Amino acid sequence: AQRVTQPEKLLSVFKGAPVELKCNYSYSGSPELFWYVQYSRQRLQLLLRHISRESIKGFTADLNKGETSFHLKKPFAQEEDSAMYYCALRGAQKLVFGQGTRLTINP
Amino acid sequence: DVKVTQSSRYLVKRTGEKVFLECVQDMDHENMFWYRQDPGLGLRLIYFSYDVKMKEKGDIPEGYSVSREKKERFSLILESASTNQTSMYLCASSYPPRTDTQYFGPGTRLTVL
Repeated sequence: AQRVTQPEKLLSVFKGAPVELKCNYSYSGSPELFWYVQYSRQRLQLLLRHISRESIKGFTADLNKGETSFHLKKPFAQEEDSAMYYCALRGAQKLVFGQGTRLTINP
Repeated sequence: DVKVTQSSRYLVKRTGEKVFLECVQDMDHENMFWYRQDPGLGLRLIYFSYDVKMKEKGDIPEGYSVSREKKERFSLILESASTNQTSMYLCASSYPPRTDTQYFGPGTRLTVL
C-alpha cells in the first residue's frame, strides 16, 4: 500500500533557526516524492520534487530509500516560510498526500 | 497563467440537500481531481478523472459522485449532504503524464448544518 506519514502536525521554530519537516513513505516500487506548500490565503502549490534535486526558496529535500524518508530542510528559517506543508508520493495516475505539517516561524 | 476556478468559496447547506461543487480549468488538462482537506487528516482523494466521461474512485468516494461532461469542467456531487461532509474541498488538474504537478483551485469551504 502507498502511504505517506508526516509525524508532526505542528512545528514552530525561530527565525534564523534550521528547519526540518519530516516525511516517511511506504511504497513497494521506485518512489517519486514531492513537497507541496500552502501559504496563508493562497492555493496549494508544488514546492519541489525529488527528481529535480533542486533548491526552492532555500528548501531542499533528499530521498533516503534506506530510511524511506524525504525530509524537507532549510538552514535558516524566514518568517515567510510559515505555511502548511504536504509531502506527496506519486502513485498510479494520482498523488498520495501526507497529513500535513503547519510550520510557524516566530520572529 | 494557469487557472483553476471553483464555483464558490463558501457554501452553507442543510442536511439532506443535494450539493454541487463545480471546478473549471482553462489549461486543457486531461486529469482532474477532487480532494477534501481536513486538519490532521491532510488531503484525501475523493474522485479523479483522466478524460471526459471517465471517472475513478479515490480513497474516500462514499457519499460523493462526480460528473465530467466537458474536458474543462469537473463537478463533485453530494447526493444527500451530511454533517460529516463539512470540509474544505479542493479541485486540481494536471497534464498527463506529469500527475505530480497538480494545479489547485482556491477551495470551497462547505458547511453542512
